[in-house]
Amino acid sequence: DIQMTQSPSSLSASVGDRVTITCRASQGINNYLAWFQQKPGKAPKSLIYAASSLRSGVPSKFSGSGSGTDFTLTITSLQPEDFATYYCQQYHSYPRTFGQGTKVEIK
Amino acid sequence: EVQLVESGGGLVQPGRSLRLSCAASGFTFDEYAMHWVRQVPGKGLEWVSGISWNSDTIGHADSVKGRFTISRDNAKNSLYLQMNSLKAEDTALYYCAKVGGLGSYYNTDFDIWGQGTMVTVSS
Repeated sequence: DIQMTQSPSSLSASVGDRVTITCRASQGINNYLAWFQQKPGKAPKSLIYAASSLRSGVPSKFSGSGSGTDFTLTITSLQPEDFATYYCQQYHSYPRTFGQGTKVEIK
Repeated sequence: EVQLVESGGGLVQPGRSLRLSCAASGFTFDEYAMHWVRQVPGKGLEWVSGISWNSDTIGHADSVKGRFTISRDNAKNSLYLQMNSLKAEDTALYYCAKVGGLGSYYNTDFDIWGQGTMVTVSS
């Protein structure tokens, strides 16, 4: 199985900050990498697919980059509604695997 | 509007069975692979099972292989998860998810998720 490792596990940031979350795959996954946002009590929401493609309707403050084994999710100008947990997921092979999540909290 | 609505969760004793359903609307259901993903409250996401648009290809996580069976009825726009021999560690919120790519079971991400149905396995 492909292991997905996110860092950090949590971070504190202020409104207006830019934050970056990294995700590392245990083997190369080309660009078959997705990012999800999950708020408490809600289902995950797709933000990014194919490592850097923005899902329709998702604001451009979210961006993704990377290929192979190392990926990043960047959120610019953090707003109150962005405080949530973010997950990466590989869809290169089965079983599909997720990172452990990064909780973005208000400083 | 694309929508997925799960149902069938509840409290069940260890060793018993439960069948989850996912009703799809707002898209051409028989053109997309579908999946089940679960989440223990307060924990991370775990892929459970996936099925191709025509049911020809099916996959299950090792943790549920031999106990869970995914299926679909395209005429009813519905996805199912038959869960047998349930264990306490199967306690989780179960989500169904639609893939973003038309027609493919492979290399397609999840673009739409339902709100989930809670399964609690306890005596």
